[in-house]
Amino acid sequence: NAGVTQTPKFRILKIGQSMTLQCAQDMNHNYMYWYRQDPGMGLKLIYYSVGAGITDKGEVPNGYNVSRSTTEDFPLRLELAAPSQTSVYFCASSLDSRYGYTFGSGTRLTVV
Amino acid sequence: DQQVKQNSPSLSVQEGRISILNCDYTNSMFDYFLWYKKYPAEGPTFLISISSIKDKNEDGRFTVFLNKSAKHLSLHIVPSQPGDSAVYFCAASGGSNYKLTFGKGTLLTVNP
Repeated sequence: NAGVTQTPKFRILKIGQSMTLQCAQDMNHNYMYWYRQDPGMGLKLIYYSVGAGITDKGEVPNGYNVSRSTTEDFPLRLELAAPSQTSVYFCASSLDSRYGYTFGSGTRLTVV
Repeated sequence: DQQVKQNSPSLSVQEGRISILNCDYTNSMFDYFLWYKKYPAEGPTFLISISSIKDKNEDGRFTVFLNKSAKHLSLHIVPSQPGDSAVYFCAASGGSNYKLTFGKGTLLTVNP
Protein backbone atom coordinates (compact mmCIF):
# COMPACT_ATOMS: atom_id res chain seq x y z
CA ASN A 1 0.00 0.00 0.00
CA ALA A 2 1.88 3.07 -1.27
CA GLY A 3 -0.25 5.78 0.39
CA VAL A 4 0.63 9.22 -1.02
CA THR A 5 3.46 9.35 -3.54
CA GLN A 6 5.16 12.61 -4.49
CA THR A 7 7.63 13.13 -7.30
CA PRO A 8 10.27 14.45 -7.65
CA LYS A 9 11.86 14.49 -4.19
CA PHE A 10 14.24 17.32 -5.07
CA ARG A 11 14.34 19.90 -7.82
CA ILE A 12 16.29 23.05 -8.64
CA LEU A 13 14.58 25.51 -10.96
CA LYS A 14 15.80 28.70 -12.52
CA ILE A 15 13.73 31.86 -12.14
CA GLY A 16 10.98 31.92 -14.76
CA GLN A 17 10.97 28.18 -15.42
CA SER A 18 7.86 26.07 -14.93
CA MET A 19 7.34 22.64 -13.48
CA THR A 20 4.70 20.24 -12.23
CA LEU A 21 4.89 18.51 -8.87
CA GLN A 22 3.19 15.16 -9.06
CA CYS A 23 1.02 13.64 -6.34
CA ALA A 24 -0.81 10.33 -6.42
CA GLN A 25 -2.73 8.39 -3.77
CA ASP A 26 -4.05 4.84 -3.86
CA MET A 27 -6.45 4.98 -0.91
CA ASN A 28 -9.48 6.20 -2.86
CA HIS A 29 -9.59 9.38 -0.77
CA ASN A 30 -11.84 12.12 -2.08
CA TYR A 31 -9.97 14.96 -0.41
CA MET A 32 -6.49 16.05 -1.47
CA TYR A 33 -4.30 18.97 -0.48
CA TRP A 34 -1.10 20.81 -1.29
CA TYR A 35 0.89 22.49 1.48
CA ARG A 36 4.17 24.31 1.58
CA GLN A 37 6.47 24.54 4.56
CA ASP A 38 9.06 27.30 4.69
CA PRO A 39 12.06 27.02 7.05
CA GLY A 40 10.97 27.42 10.66
CA MET A 41 7.36 27.88 9.65
CA GLY A 42 4.22 25.83 9.77
CA LEU A 43 2.19 24.30 6.98
CA LYS A 44 0.44 26.69 4.62
CA LEU A 45 -2.38 25.42 2.43
CA ILE A 46 -1.92 26.22 -1.25
CA TYR A 47 -4.86 24.42 -2.91
CA TYR A 48 -7.23 21.63 -2.06
CA SER A 49 -9.73 19.39 -3.80
CA VAL A 50 -12.86 17.72 -2.46
CA GLY A 51 -13.22 15.40 -5.44
CA ALA A 52 -12.38 14.87 -9.08
CA GLY A 53 -13.06 18.03 -11.06
CA ILE A 54 -13.37 20.24 -7.96
CA THR A 55 -10.54 22.41 -6.65
CA ASP A 56 -10.33 25.48 -4.46
CA LYS A 57 -7.75 27.99 -3.23
CA GLY A 58 -6.11 27.79 0.14
CA GLU A 59 -4.17 30.48 2.00
CA VAL A 60 -1.31 30.99 -0.49
CA PRO A 61 -2.48 30.10 -4.04
CA ASN A 62 -0.70 32.83 -6.01
CA GLY A 63 1.81 31.48 -8.51
CA TYR A 64 0.34 27.99 -8.50
CA ASN A 65 -2.32 26.03 -10.34
CA VAL A 66 -3.88 22.63 -9.80
CA SER A 67 -6.12 20.18 -11.57
CA ARG A 68 -7.95 17.07 -10.42
CA SER A 69 -9.03 14.96 -13.38
CA THR A 70 -9.01 11.69 -11.42
CA THR A 71 -9.52 10.69 -7.78
CA GLU A 72 -5.92 9.44 -7.60
CA ASP A 73 -3.91 12.36 -8.98
CA PHE A 74 -3.55 15.97 -7.87
CA PRO A 75 -0.65 17.71 -9.67
CA LEU A 76 0.57 21.16 -8.65
CA ARG A 77 1.80 23.43 -11.42
CA LEU A 78 4.29 26.25 -10.87
CA GLU A 79 4.34 28.82 -13.66
CA LEU A 80 7.18 31.36 -13.84
CA ALA A 81 9.06 30.15 -10.78
CA ALA A 82 10.24 32.81 -8.32
CA PRO A 83 12.75 32.60 -5.42
CA SER A 84 9.81 33.07 -3.00
CA GLN A 85 8.59 29.63 -4.07
CA THR A 86 11.66 27.96 -2.62
CA SER A 87 10.10 25.63 -0.08
CA VAL A 88 9.23 22.06 0.80
CA TYR A 89 5.93 20.99 -0.73
CA PHE A 90 3.72 18.34 0.81
CA CYS A 91 0.76 16.64 -0.76
CA ALA A 92 -1.83 14.99 1.46
CA SER A 93 -5.07 13.07 1.14
CA SER A 94 -7.96 12.35 3.46
CA LEU A 95 -11.14 10.32 3.75
CA ASP A 96 -12.47 12.64 6.43
CA SER A 97 -10.52 15.29 8.32
CA ARG A 98 -11.48 13.69 11.66
CA TYR A 99 -9.38 10.70 10.65
CA GLY A 100 -6.51 12.93 9.70
CA TYR A 101 -4.48 13.37 6.58
CA THR A 102 -1.95 11.04 5.03
CA PHE A 103 1.02 13.03 3.83
CA GLY A 104 3.55 12.32 1.12
CA SER A 105 7.26 12.55 1.86
CA GLY A 106 7.61 15.98 0.27
CA THR A 107 9.33 17.73 -2.64
CA ARG A 108 12.17 20.09 -1.81
CA LEU A 109 12.19 22.87 -4.41
CA THR A 110 14.86 25.51 -4.80
CA VAL A 111 14.43 28.40 -7.22
CA VAL A 112 17.66 30.18 -8.15
CA ASP B 1 -6.14 35.10 12.15
CA GLN B 2 -4.46 32.07 13.66
CA GLN B 3 -7.16 29.72 14.86
CA VAL B 4 -4.73 27.10 16.17
CA LYS B 5 -1.75 28.35 18.11
CA GLN B 6 1.32 26.61 19.37
CA ASN B 7 3.05 29.33 21.33
CA SER B 8 6.26 27.48 22.07
CA PRO B 9 8.45 27.17 18.95
CA SER B 10 10.78 24.79 20.74
CA LEU B 11 11.07 22.60 23.83
CA SER B 12 14.06 20.73 25.23
CA VAL B 13 13.77 17.90 27.77
CA GLN B 14 15.95 15.19 29.25
CA GLU B 15 15.52 11.58 28.26
CA GLY B 16 13.15 9.81 30.65
CA ARG B 17 11.36 12.98 31.69
CA ILE B 18 7.91 14.17 30.63
CA SER B 19 7.45 16.33 27.53
CA ILE B 20 4.38 18.57 27.48
CA LEU B 21 3.44 20.28 24.24
CA ASN B 22 0.64 22.83 24.29
CA CYS B 23 -1.91 24.03 21.79
CA ASP B 24 -4.66 26.67 21.99
CA TYR B 25 -7.55 27.21 19.63
CA THR B 26 -10.09 29.95 19.10
CA ASN B 27 -12.78 28.42 16.89
CA SER B 28 -15.68 26.92 18.88
CA MET B 29 -16.69 24.86 15.84
CA PHE B 30 -13.61 22.64 16.20
CA ASP B 31 -14.69 19.24 17.48
CA TYR B 32 -11.78 16.97 16.64
CA PHE B 33 -8.11 17.48 17.39
CA LEU B 34 -5.05 15.69 16.12
CA TRP B 35 -1.32 15.68 16.73
CA TYR B 36 1.20 15.06 13.99
CA LYS B 37 4.89 14.31 14.27
CA LYS B 38 7.41 15.35 11.63
CA TYR B 39 11.01 14.28 11.23
CA PRO B 40 13.36 16.26 8.94
CA ALA B 41 13.05 15.34 5.25
CA GLU B 42 9.84 13.38 5.88
CA GLY B 43 6.14 14.19 5.70
CA PRO B 44 4.11 14.64 8.89
CA THR B 45 2.68 11.44 10.34
CA PHE B 46 -0.42 11.06 12.48
CA LEU B 47 0.29 10.50 16.16
CA ILE B 48 -2.87 10.70 18.25
CA SER B 49 -6.29 12.36 18.18
CA ILE B 50 -9.14 13.29 20.49
CA SER B 51 -12.80 14.04 19.99
CA SER B 52 -14.41 16.97 21.79
CA ILE B 53 -16.68 14.57 23.66
CA LYS B 54 -13.63 13.29 25.54
CA ASP B 55 -11.11 15.02 27.77
CA LYS B 56 -8.33 12.47 27.53
CA ASN B 57 -7.00 9.93 25.06
CA GLU B 58 -4.04 7.68 25.68
CA ASP B 59 -1.87 5.61 23.36
CA GLY B 60 1.17 4.08 24.95
CA ARG B 61 3.57 6.82 26.00
CA PHE B 62 1.40 9.51 24.40
CA THR B 63 -1.60 11.14 26.06
CA VAL B 64 -3.63 14.05 24.77
CA PHE B 65 -5.69 16.16 27.16
CA LEU B 66 -8.47 18.48 26.07
CA ASN B 67 -9.88 21.36 28.11
CA LYS B 68 -12.83 22.65 26.12
CA SER B 69 -13.67 25.52 28.43
CA ALA B 70 -10.13 26.87 28.09
CA LYS B 71 -9.92 25.90 24.39
CA HIS B 72 -6.64 24.21 25.19
CA LEU B 73 -5.10 20.84 24.48
CA SER B 74 -1.81 19.32 25.43
CA LEU B 75 0.26 16.32 24.39
CA HIS B 76 2.16 14.49 27.10
CA ILE B 77 5.00 12.12 26.26
CA VAL B 78 6.16 9.93 29.13
CA PRO B 79 8.91 8.88 29.28
CA SER B 80 10.54 10.96 26.57
CA GLN B 81 13.05 9.24 24.32
CA PRO B 82 15.68 10.69 21.95
CA GLY B 83 13.70 9.23 19.02
CA ASP B 84 10.83 11.54 19.97
CA SER B 85 12.89 14.52 18.81
CA ALA B 86 10.82 16.00 15.99
CA VAL B 87 8.44 18.84 15.15
CA TYR B 88 4.96 18.31 16.55
CA PHE B 89 1.96 19.92 14.89
CA CYS B 90 -1.41 20.40 16.51
CA ALA B 91 -4.39 20.32 14.12
CA ALA B 92 -8.13 20.88 14.49
CA SER B 93 -11.18 19.87 12.49
CA GLY B 94 -14.73 21.21 12.61
CA GLY B 95 -17.41 22.79 10.52
CA SER B 96 -16.37 20.74 7.51
CA ASN B 97 -15.20 17.16 7.15
CA TYR B 98 -12.39 17.90 4.76
CA LYS B 99 -10.25 20.63 6.25
CA LEU B 100 -7.73 20.60 9.08
CA THR B 101 -6.30 23.78 10.55
CA PHE B 102 -2.68 23.37 11.65
CA GLY B 103 -0.61 25.16 14.25
CA LYS B 104 2.92 26.31 13.40
CA GLY B 105 4.55 23.42 15.23
CA THR B 106 6.84 22.91 18.22
CA LEU B 107 10.33 21.47 17.84
CA LEU B 108 10.92 18.94 20.60
CA THR B 109 14.49 17.95 21.41
CA VAL B 110 15.03 15.06 23.82
CA ASN B 111 18.57 15.03 25.15
CA PRO B 112 20.21 11.70 26.09
